[in-house]
Amino acid sequence: QKEVEQDPGPLSVPEGAIVSLNCTYSNSAFQYFMWYRQYSRKGPELLMYTYSSGNKEDGRFTAQVDKSSKYISLFIRDSQPSDSATYLCAISRNSGNTPLVFGKGTRLSVIA
Amino acid sequence: GAVVSQHPSWVICKSGTSVKIECRSLDFQATTMFWYRQFPKQSLMLMATSNEGSKATYEQGVEKDKFLINHASLTLSTLTVTSAHPEDSSFYICSALPLAGGWEQYFGPGTRLTVT
Repeated sequence: QKEVEQDPGPLSVPEGAIVSLNCTYSNSAFQYFMWYRQYSRKGPELLMYTYSSGNKEDGRFTAQVDKSSKYISLFIRDSQPSDSATYLCAISRNSGNTPLVFGKGTRLSVIA
Repeated sequence: GAVVSQHPSWVICKSGTSVKIECRSLDFQATTMFWYRQFPKQSLMLMATSNEGSKATYEQGVEKDKFLINHASLTLSTLTVTSAHPEDSSFYICSALPLAGGWEQYFGPGTRLTVT
C-alpha cells in the first residue's frame, strides 16, 4: 500500500463550481499535511498547511484533516480558470528537516 | 523572499554524457536541500537529502554513484546525472529548508532533462 493515495483525475469543472480534492494516507505517524499547487513544468507552491486534525480556511481554499480516517481534503470555492493546475497533497512525520511524501497529484481544469 | 532557482531550466544531452543541475537559494541560507524527480503525470519522488558539508542521504533504489549530489555551501546544491540514459529523462526539482528555522521547504522551478 502506498503511503499516500490521490486520484490523479483529470477533473474538469465549470467556473464557479466548488471543487473537492482528496487524499488518503496509511501511516498514523504523519502529523503535518500540506497542499501544493503545481502549474505545468513548474515547481510546486504551497497552498495550505495543517497540523493534526481540523479545518483551516484561507480565502477560497479550505483544508480539512481527519486523522481518524486518515483522510485529507482541499476545497476550492468559486473556482476560477486560473485555478487550473495540478494539486498535490503532501504529508510529513515532523516539521523541519523531514522529507515530504507526495500524492500523485490531481489535474484540475476550470472551464470558463 | 524565500526564492529558489534552478539552472538550467531545460537540458538535452546525449546518452552516456553527464549533466549537472544547480539549485540555489537566492535570499536565504539553507541547511538542507532535497532533490526530487517527477515523471510525466506522476508525483514527486524524493531522491536524496543533502546537508551542507556532509554526504547526501539517498532514498532506497536511487544509485548514489549515478546521481552525485554536492552541497558545498549554504546556498548551493548540485545534482550531477552521470552517464545519462533515456530512462533518466525526467523533471528534477529541488527544495530548500531555511537555516533560520521553520518547517516550510521552498521549491525550485524544476529542470527538465531529456536524454537522447
